[in-house]
Amino acid sequence: QVKLQQSGAELVKPGASVKLSCKTSGYTFSTSYMSWFKQIPGQSIEWIGMIYAGDGGTGYNQKFKGKATLTVDTSSSTAYMDLSSLTTEDSAVYFCARDYPFAYWGQGTLVTVSS
Amino acid sequence: DVVLTQTPPTLSATIGQSVSISCRSSQSLLDSDGDTYLNWLLQRPGQSPQLLIYSVSNLESGVPNRFSGSGSETDFTLKISGVEAEDLGVYYCMQATHAPLTFGSGTKLEIK
Repeated sequence: QVKLQQSGAELVKPGASVKLSCKTSGYTFSTSYMSWFKQIPGQSIEWIGMIYAGDGGTGYNQKFKGKATLTVDTSSSTAYMDLSSLTTEDSAVYFCARDYPFAYWGQGTLVTVSS
Repeated sequence: DVVLTQTPPTLSATIGQSVSISCRSSQSLLDSDGDTYLNWLLQRPGQSPQLLIYSVSNLESGVPNRFSGSGSETDFTLKISGVEAEDLGVYYCMQATHAPLTFGSGTKLEIK
């Protein structure tokens, strides 16, 4: 069955960077898209961007350009998201989800930015 | 960006009651390819979002048929015909016709 397993919670200092992972199984990773989302607890969901695993092509929400960088490693069927220059406003749960219309989601990774 | 306005923000229902949630878009969600990329998702407490309905009215595999979606252009509705206890959580509409993808603010369903 399809599984998306995200990396564990992160506590990071302001100004630092963090790399989140989304390890997949149960489907052909190299011909699929992966999207990433941000959700501040108690608030709605924002789409960060997507990446095509076949060629690494990306599309970003303008709001997150310069903040998030999406990559993939097809050898391990894993998608990654780098978040840079972190501030307290980046504290949130981040989800990965496979292929529109997003029937499959990871369990989420909580990122807390605090000194 | 497309703004999706959901109403009501909170809904309280008894088991077996039928309820509806509205999602209104600031722009038409009819795509040039003829499809309308409006989906509904449920996020239960502490869980990831779950896809219920895609392209306005298509029930995702495994989703109970008490959930149904309707609408067109800018006005959409999710109906639950006979609420069950497991339906509690926050319901979101989401559009993918216009970049960037955007979500409504959510409707919290509480069980009386």
